[in-house]
Amino acid sequence: RKEVEQDPGPFNVPEGATVAFNCTYSNSASQSFFWYRQDCRKEPKLLMSVYSSGNEDGRFTAQLNRASQYISLLIRDSKLSDSATYLCVVGLDNYGQNFVFGPGTRLSVLP
Amino acid sequence: GAVVSQHPSRVICKSGTSVKIECRSLDFQATTMFWYRQFPKKSLMLMATSNEGSKATYEQGVEKDKFLINHASLTLSTLTVTSAHPEDSSFYICSAQNDRDNEKLFFGSGTQLSVL
Repeated sequence: RKEVEQDPGPFNVPEGATVAFNCTYSNSASQSFFWYRQDCRKEPKLLMSVYSSGNEDGRFTAQLNRASQYISLLIRDSKLSDSATYLCVVGLDNYGQNFVFGPGTRLSVLP
Repeated sequence: GAVVSQHPSRVICKSGTSVKIECRSLDFQATTMFWYRQFPKKSLMLMATSNEGSKATYEQGVEKDKFLINHASLTLSTLTVTSAHPEDSSFYICSAQNDRDNEKLFFGSGTQLSVL
């Protein structure tokens, strides 16, 4: 079983739609959780950290379920500019050498 | 915000040549930097952890003599792909960890290496 798994997609949604991504991780000792966004042939950019209480940033909401070992990302009112690959990142601690990247979920928002 | 500069952004070279990629943290000190490679439609795979003033730590399966890492200062790490071959063609990305706030990673813009 892979350490971090995501639905590869692609998710093709119309503008304005709400879309949700899920991510599961295998190591119950994981401490830190993030969503990164990566455009084609570009570097990943931090979208948001994920906290146990859940957190929201504008149209983006992230949630963490430690018992079930999954993380979710909800995007509301999708924009064309949201088209990208979304990477789930899980860390055993807060140090980068123990970060594991999921394979990514590709999103295409269509006009 | 924190900026990490990586260059070159694209390299095309002949088989057998060596290629050096630089990664600089521009507005923070980074004792630790990381090097990843990414194949098309795949996720990032950590190759090695670069530590300022000491030897890099390589992930299993990554040849340290093939991928030379030097982290000579708190703001610069270099990755040299020695005697590159076509199978080394990939997207290489570095990231740096701010010594004052090590929770987040800041990525360089990546280097697309094509070995002919």
